[in-house]
Amino acid sequence: AQRVTQPEKLLSVFKGAPVELKCNYSYSGSPELFWYVQYSRQRLQLLLRHISRESIKGFTADLNKGETSFHLKKPFAQEEDSAMYYCALVGYNFNKFYFGSGTKLNVKP
Amino acid sequence: DTGVSQDPRHKITKRGQNVTFRCDPISEHNRLYWYRQTLGQGPEFLTYFQNEAQLEKSRLLSDRFSAERPKGSFSTLEIQRTEQGDSAMYLCASSPLFLLAGGSSTDTQYFGPGTRLTVL
Repeated sequence: AQRVTQPEKLLSVFKGAPVELKCNYSYSGSPELFWYVQYSRQRLQLLLRHISRESIKGFTADLNKGETSFHLKKPFAQEEDSAMYYCALVGYNFNKFYFGSGTKLNVKP
Repeated sequence: DTGVSQDPRHKITKRGQNVTFRCDPISEHNRLYWYRQTLGQGPEFLTYFQNEAQLEKSRLLSDRFSAERPKGSFSTLEIQRTEQGDSAMYLCASSPLFLLAGGSSTDTQYFGPGTRLTVL
Protein backbone atom coordinates (compact mmCIF):
# COMPACT_ATOMS: atom_id res chain seq x y z
CA ALA A 1 0.00 0.00 0.00
CA GLN A 2 1.12 3.52 -0.70
CA ARG A 3 2.24 5.32 2.40
CA VAL A 4 4.36 8.28 3.45
CA THR A 5 5.82 8.26 6.93
CA GLN A 6 7.25 11.22 8.76
CA PRO A 7 8.40 9.81 12.09
CA GLU A 8 8.92 13.11 13.88
CA LYS A 9 5.96 15.26 14.79
CA LEU A 10 8.18 18.01 16.18
CA LEU A 11 11.79 18.91 15.54
CA SER A 12 13.46 21.70 17.50
CA VAL A 13 16.87 23.04 16.58
CA PHE A 14 18.85 26.17 17.29
CA LYS A 15 19.49 28.77 14.63
CA GLY A 16 22.55 27.86 12.62
CA ALA A 17 22.32 24.15 13.39
CA PRO A 18 21.84 21.55 10.67
CA VAL A 19 18.39 20.15 10.24
CA GLU A 20 17.11 16.94 8.71
CA LEU A 21 13.43 16.13 8.39
CA LYS A 22 12.86 12.47 7.73
CA CYS A 23 10.52 11.00 5.16
CA ASN A 24 10.11 7.37 4.24
CA TYR A 25 7.72 6.06 1.67
CA SER A 26 6.13 2.87 0.48
CA TYR A 27 5.09 2.65 -3.14
CA SER A 28 5.08 -0.14 -5.71
CA GLY A 29 6.64 1.65 -8.63
CA SER A 30 8.57 4.83 -9.26
CA PRO A 31 6.88 7.67 -7.46
CA GLU A 32 7.66 11.33 -7.61
CA LEU A 33 8.41 12.89 -4.26
CA PHE A 34 7.72 16.38 -3.00
CA TRP A 35 8.17 18.49 0.08
CA TYR A 36 5.44 20.98 0.91
CA VAL A 37 5.69 23.66 3.59
CA GLN A 38 3.07 25.59 5.50
CA TYR A 39 4.18 28.71 7.31
CA SER A 40 2.06 30.12 10.09
CA ARG A 41 -1.27 31.44 8.80
CA GLN A 42 -0.34 30.70 5.21
CA ARG A 43 -1.51 28.10 2.77
CA LEU A 44 0.33 24.93 1.90
CA GLN A 45 2.94 25.49 -0.80
CA LEU A 46 5.49 23.47 -2.68
CA LEU A 47 9.03 23.65 -1.34
CA LEU A 48 10.79 21.30 -3.71
CA ARG A 49 10.39 18.14 -5.77
CA HIS A 50 12.95 15.45 -6.35
CA ILE A 51 12.78 15.54 -10.11
CA SER A 52 14.02 19.13 -10.18
CA ARG A 53 17.11 18.37 -8.12
CA GLU A 54 17.18 21.95 -6.96
CA SER A 55 17.87 23.71 -3.72
CA ILE A 56 15.16 25.99 -2.43
CA LYS A 57 15.81 28.34 0.49
CA GLY A 58 18.91 26.28 1.22
CA PHE A 59 16.93 23.04 1.50
CA THR A 60 17.81 19.94 -0.47
CA ALA A 61 16.34 16.47 -0.60
CA ASP A 62 17.76 13.35 -2.15
CA LEU A 63 15.66 10.43 -3.22
CA ASN A 64 17.15 7.18 -1.96
CA LYS A 65 15.30 4.38 -3.66
CA GLY A 66 17.20 1.69 -1.78
CA GLU A 67 16.11 3.06 1.57
CA THR A 68 12.83 4.46 0.17
CA SER A 69 13.61 7.78 1.79
CA PHE A 70 13.41 11.42 0.79
CA HIS A 71 14.84 13.32 3.73
CA LEU A 72 14.88 17.11 3.70
CA LYS A 73 18.10 18.77 4.78
CA LYS A 74 19.47 22.20 5.43
CA PRO A 75 22.99 22.83 6.74
CA PHE A 76 22.20 25.99 8.71
CA ALA A 77 18.65 26.49 9.95
CA GLN A 78 17.13 29.97 10.13
CA GLU A 79 14.32 31.18 12.35
CA GLU A 80 12.17 31.83 9.30
CA ASP A 81 12.34 28.11 8.49
CA SER A 82 9.99 27.44 11.38
CA ALA A 83 6.93 25.87 9.78
CA MET A 84 5.06 22.64 9.18
CA TYR A 85 6.67 20.41 6.57
CA TYR A 86 4.88 17.67 4.66
CA CYS A 87 6.42 15.01 2.50
CA ALA A 88 4.25 13.78 -0.36
CA LEU A 89 4.38 11.30 -3.19
CA VAL A 90 2.42 10.81 -6.36
CA GLY A 91 2.27 7.89 -8.72
CA TYR A 92 3.11 7.94 -12.39
CA ASN A 93 -0.30 9.17 -13.51
CA PHE A 94 -0.45 12.06 -11.03
CA ASN A 95 -3.98 11.16 -10.08
CA LYS A 96 -3.47 10.70 -6.40
CA PHE A 97 -1.14 12.35 -3.95
CA TYR A 98 -0.23 10.84 -0.60
CA PHE A 99 0.91 13.12 2.19
CA GLY A 100 2.73 12.32 5.39
CA SER A 101 1.41 13.53 8.72
CA GLY A 102 3.90 16.39 8.81
CA THR A 103 6.79 17.55 10.95
CA LYS A 104 6.72 20.83 12.77
CA LEU A 105 10.12 22.48 12.63
CA ASN A 106 10.87 24.95 15.36
CA VAL A 107 14.07 26.94 14.96
CA LYS A 108 15.06 28.61 18.20
CA PRO A 109 17.09 31.82 18.34
CA ASP B 1 -5.42 37.58 -6.85
CA THR B 2 -4.81 34.73 -9.24
CA GLY B 3 -4.40 32.04 -6.61
CA VAL B 4 -6.78 29.26 -5.68
CA SER B 5 -9.76 30.52 -3.70
CA GLN B 6 -12.24 28.64 -1.54
CA ASP B 7 -15.59 29.67 -0.17
CA PRO B 8 -16.65 29.76 2.57
CA ARG B 9 -13.58 29.89 4.76
CA HIS B 10 -15.48 28.65 7.78
CA LYS B 11 -18.70 26.70 8.09
CA ILE B 12 -20.49 25.65 11.24
CA THR B 13 -23.42 23.34 10.81
CA LYS B 14 -25.58 20.99 12.80
CA ARG B 15 -25.36 17.26 12.41
CA GLY B 16 -27.61 16.05 9.64
CA GLN B 17 -27.47 19.21 7.57
CA ASN B 18 -26.05 19.39 4.05
CA VAL B 19 -23.12 21.66 3.23
CA THR B 20 -21.51 22.73 -0.03
CA PHE B 21 -18.07 24.17 -0.55
CA ARG B 22 -16.74 25.91 -3.61
CA CYS B 23 -13.24 26.00 -5.07
CA ASP B 24 -12.04 28.33 -7.81
CA PRO B 25 -8.75 27.09 -9.24
CA ILE B 26 -6.10 29.06 -11.07
CA SER B 27 -7.71 29.71 -14.42
CA GLU B 28 -5.36 27.84 -16.74
CA HIS B 29 -5.06 24.77 -14.50
CA ASN B 30 -6.87 21.73 -15.78
CA ARG B 31 -6.38 19.55 -12.71
CA LEU B 32 -8.24 20.04 -9.47
CA TYR B 33 -7.92 18.08 -6.23
CA TRP B 34 -9.93 17.94 -3.01
CA TYR B 35 -8.36 16.94 0.29
CA ARG B 36 -9.48 16.64 3.89
CA GLN B 37 -7.16 17.48 6.73
CA THR B 38 -7.80 16.73 10.38
CA LEU B 39 -5.79 17.94 13.33
CA GLY B 40 -2.30 16.49 13.43
CA GLN B 41 -2.58 14.84 10.04
CA GLY B 42 -1.47 15.68 6.56
CA PRO B 43 -3.90 16.30 3.72
CA GLU B 44 -5.85 13.19 2.82
CA PHE B 45 -6.81 12.76 -0.82
CA LEU B 46 -10.55 12.77 -1.55
CA THR B 47 -10.99 13.18 -5.27
CA TYR B 48 -9.44 14.55 -8.43
CA PHE B 49 -10.66 16.13 -11.67
CA GLN B 50 -9.00 16.61 -14.98
CA ASN B 51 -11.07 19.31 -16.66
CA GLU B 52 -14.68 18.29 -15.97
CA ALA B 53 -13.98 14.57 -15.61
CA GLN B 54 -13.73 13.08 -12.13
CA LEU B 55 -10.95 10.56 -12.64
CA GLU B 56 -10.20 9.35 -9.15
CA LYS B 57 -12.16 9.05 -5.96
CA SER B 58 -10.88 7.86 -2.63
CA ARG B 59 -12.51 4.84 -1.05
CA LEU B 60 -12.66 6.98 2.07
CA LEU B 61 -15.29 9.09 0.37
CA SER B 62 -18.65 7.80 1.45
CA ASP B 63 -21.83 8.11 -0.57
CA ARG B 64 -22.63 11.26 1.40
CA PHE B 65 -19.84 13.08 -0.42
CA SER B 66 -20.11 14.29 -3.97
CA ALA B 67 -17.97 16.59 -6.05
CA GLU B 68 -18.54 18.26 -9.36
CA ARG B 69 -16.64 20.40 -11.79
CA PRO B 70 -19.31 21.06 -14.40
CA LYS B 71 -17.46 23.27 -16.85
CA GLY B 72 -13.93 22.36 -16.01
CA SER B 73 -13.48 25.53 -14.03
CA PHE B 74 -14.75 25.86 -10.44
CA SER B 75 -15.63 22.83 -8.39
CA THR B 76 -18.08 22.10 -5.58
CA LEU B 77 -17.87 19.55 -2.81
CA GLU B 78 -21.12 18.62 -1.12
CA ILE B 79 -21.51 16.67 2.08
CA GLN B 80 -24.97 15.37 2.81
CA ARG B 81 -26.28 14.50 6.26
CA THR B 82 -23.15 15.75 7.96
CA GLU B 83 -21.72 13.87 10.91
CA GLN B 84 -19.42 15.07 13.65
CA GLY B 85 -16.63 13.03 12.11
CA ASP B 86 -16.80 15.23 9.02
CA SER B 87 -15.37 18.13 11.00
CA ALA B 88 -12.09 18.98 9.30
CA MET B 89 -10.32 21.39 7.02
CA TYR B 90 -11.25 20.82 3.39
CA LEU B 91 -8.51 21.83 0.98
CA CYS B 92 -8.64 22.38 -2.73
CA ALA B 93 -5.61 22.42 -5.00
CA SER B 94 -5.16 22.95 -8.71
CA SER B 95 -2.29 22.18 -11.01
CA PRO B 96 -1.19 22.42 -14.58
CA LEU B 97 0.17 19.45 -16.44
CA PHE B 98 3.24 19.73 -18.56
CA LEU B 99 5.79 17.52 -20.16
CA LEU B 100 9.41 17.35 -19.31
CA ALA B 101 12.15 16.39 -21.71
CA GLY B 102 12.10 12.64 -22.13
CA GLY B 103 8.34 12.41 -22.06
CA SER B 104 7.73 12.42 -18.34
CA SER B 105 5.26 14.78 -16.80
CA THR B 106 4.90 16.41 -13.46
CA ASP B 107 2.81 19.08 -11.90
CA THR B 108 2.88 21.35 -8.89
CA GLN B 109 -0.20 21.72 -6.80
CA TYR B 110 -1.28 25.16 -5.72
CA PHE B 111 -3.42 25.03 -2.62
CA GLY B 112 -6.30 27.17 -1.55
CA PRO B 113 -6.70 28.50 2.00
CA GLY B 114 -9.17 25.77 2.92
CA THR B 115 -12.68 25.63 4.34
CA ARG B 116 -12.90 24.71 7.99
CA LEU B 117 -16.02 22.69 8.71
CA THR B 118 -17.35 22.24 12.22
CA VAL B 119 -20.27 19.87 12.71
CA LEU B 120 -22.05 20.32 16.02
